[in-house]
Parts: sequence; C-alpha cells; structure tokens
Amino acid sequence: QVQLVESGGGVVQPGGSLRLSCAASGFTFSVYGMHWVRQAPGKGLEWVAFIRYDGSNKYYAESVKGRFTISRDNSKNMLYLQMNSLRAEDTAVYYCASKTLYGNFDYWGQGTLVTVSS
Amino acid sequence: QSALTQPRSVSGSPGQSVTISCTGTSSDVGGYNYVSWCQQHPGKAPKLMIYDVSKRPSGVPDRFSGSKSGNTASLTISGLQAEDEADYYCCSYADTYTPNWVFGGGTKLTVL
Repeated sequence: QVQLVESGGGVVQPGGSLRLSCAASGFTFSVYGMHWVRQAPGKGLEWVAFIRYDGSNKYYAESVKGRFTISRDNSKNMLYLQMNSLRAEDTAVYYCASKTLYGNFDYWGQGTLVTVSS
Repeated sequence: QSALTQPRSVSGSPGQSVTISCTGTSSDVGGYNYVSWCQQHPGKAPKLMIYDVSKRPSGVPDRFSGSKSGNTASLTISGLQAEDEADYYCCSYADTYTPNWVFGGGTKLTVL
C-alpha cells in the first residue's frame, strides 16, 4: 500500500533553514508528481509546492517562492523541501502528498511539525 | 492565490444529508474539472474523498458525492454517520500566472 513518511521537522530560529524529507513506498514513485502542503496550528490547509515526476517542472505558492525549493531523488524514492529564510508564519505541520491514480493529493503522509521561533 | 470560500461550519443529524459549498473563480473552480475534497479528523492527516469534481477513490463510501456548477463546487454527504464528523477542505487546480493549487478555508461538519 502507498506510504509516505515525512521527517526533518523541528524548531528553528527566524532566518534559519531546514530540509524536510518524504520517503515514499508502495507505488512507482518515479512516474508521479508530488506536493508539499502545510497547515498552521489551528488553521486550514495551504498548498506549498509541486514537482513533476521527473523534476522538470516545479511550482510554488507565492508565500514561499524564492525561499523554498522542492526536489526529488527518484533513485531513492525521496521527496525534499529545502526551506530557507524561515519566518514565524512558516510554522506549520508539513505534509507530503502524491498525485497518482486519483489525481492530486490522493495519498498523504502523517506530517512533520516545523516551528520557527526565537 | 486567494483561498476558495467554504462555510465555516455545517451540521446535520444522523441519517440526514448535508451539502458543503466551495466557491472560487473562473481561474480555478470554474475553469477546470480538477476539484478535490479532503476529510480531516482532529490530529490526523487529510484523506481524499472526491477527485475530479465527482469521482470517488476506491474505498470511499458512495454516501459521498461531488458536483460543480459554474464557479461553485459542492460536496454532499448523505446518510450522515457519527464518523463523518470532521473538517472538510475543497481544493482546485488553478492557472493564474503559473500552475498552482488552492484550498478552501475548511468546513467543520458536526453530526448532532
């Protein structure tokens, strides 16, 4: 069965950096696009970034453009989110989500919490 | 990238039907048949319930159905059950300047 497991969250100071990882299994990772979605405490879902199956195209929300970079390693079935110049408003649970048989966001990981605080 | 508009809350009694609306623009909901609905229980990851406006993933009960008219999409849950109590989010593909995806603010469904 499809499994997505995020890691890399933690507490970071404003202006700092963090790299999130998402380990995928149970499907042919290399042929499907992947998303990052975040959810601030007590708030709704916010799309963050998308990467095509081969990494050829990447799209970002305006709120993170220029600061976050999505990438993938199809040889390792891994998705990444490099987050730089972090702000307090980036505090959230970050989920990776797939775009496979059922379209966008069909499978989700359990999320990893990122807290930006001094 | 403005969020789609959903009611903050809806409620219904067991066995009844409820409908949650999701209003966008011609650049997102109205322009593409790529509306999804996700269910999220407290402290849990979201779960896809409807994709491509009205399609159900395998394993999702047929009590859940989706539709769209113009710039507004809707999720209808019939035969409400206690376990349906959760937050529901709509999401649409959008293409304003570049491809992106936009979520609704979420609707809290209470089963009375």
